[in-house]
Amino acid sequence: DAGVTQSPTHLIKTRGQQVTLRCSPKSGHDTVSWYQQALGQGPQFIFQYYEEEERQRGNFPDRFSGHQFPNYSSELNVNALWLGDSALYLCASSPQGRQPQHFGDGTRLSIL
Amino acid sequence: DAKTTQPPSMDCAEGRAANLPCNHSTISGNEYVYWYRQIHSQGPQYIIHGLKNNETNEMASLIITEDRKSSTLILPHATLRDTAVYYCIVRVMSNQGGKLIFGQGTELSVKP
Repeated sequence: DAGVTQSPTHLIKTRGQQVTLRCSPKSGHDTVSWYQQALGQGPQFIFQYYEEEERQRGNFPDRFSGHQFPNYSSELNVNALWLGDSALYLCASSPQGRQPQHFGDGTRLSIL
Repeated sequence: DAKTTQPPSMDCAEGRAANLPCNHSTISGNEYVYWYRQIHSQGPQYIIHGLKNNETNEMASLIITEDRKSSTLILPHATLRDTAVYYCIVRVMSNQGGKLIFGQGTELSVKP
């Protein structure tokens, strides 16, 4: 039973570029949430997708956007990257938005 | 802001029980207590959750006080692989549960 998988595992971008991160939820899960974790901090909620719609959003600018596909997989897009976007981006899935959420091992994004 | 308070760090000898406290004095009646841990360079791992009764699974035990204002996560026989940051989170379980709010957590160091 595969857990939450994320790709790529590491990524290096330069300021001003855009990036797309991908997530496949755990089997049987239909809700995907994205979190940003800066070095030394706890994860911060970005947004949650259920039934291909954004259901809840944290305090992140519109540069952060997402999408959920009919197979429940999801993408996180970040435009106009700046140095402060360097972080570990985590994807979590759950059944029908219920707790607990199960996390992938994240994508480490470095901005130069 | 996180609704929980945890000590920033704790040490435990290998083979002994690790008792990690958490204060959640403003917890609501329909909120559960969830525990996650994050081993370096991995995503958070769900450990256990409870509402009012004590809970036990293959990983840990959760003791919740009768007034529900605090709880303790117990790792009965800590090993070096239990070295991680442990997060205590209170959240509703329903599909309005949405985001998890992580605090700073407790950094547990298990020493030989």
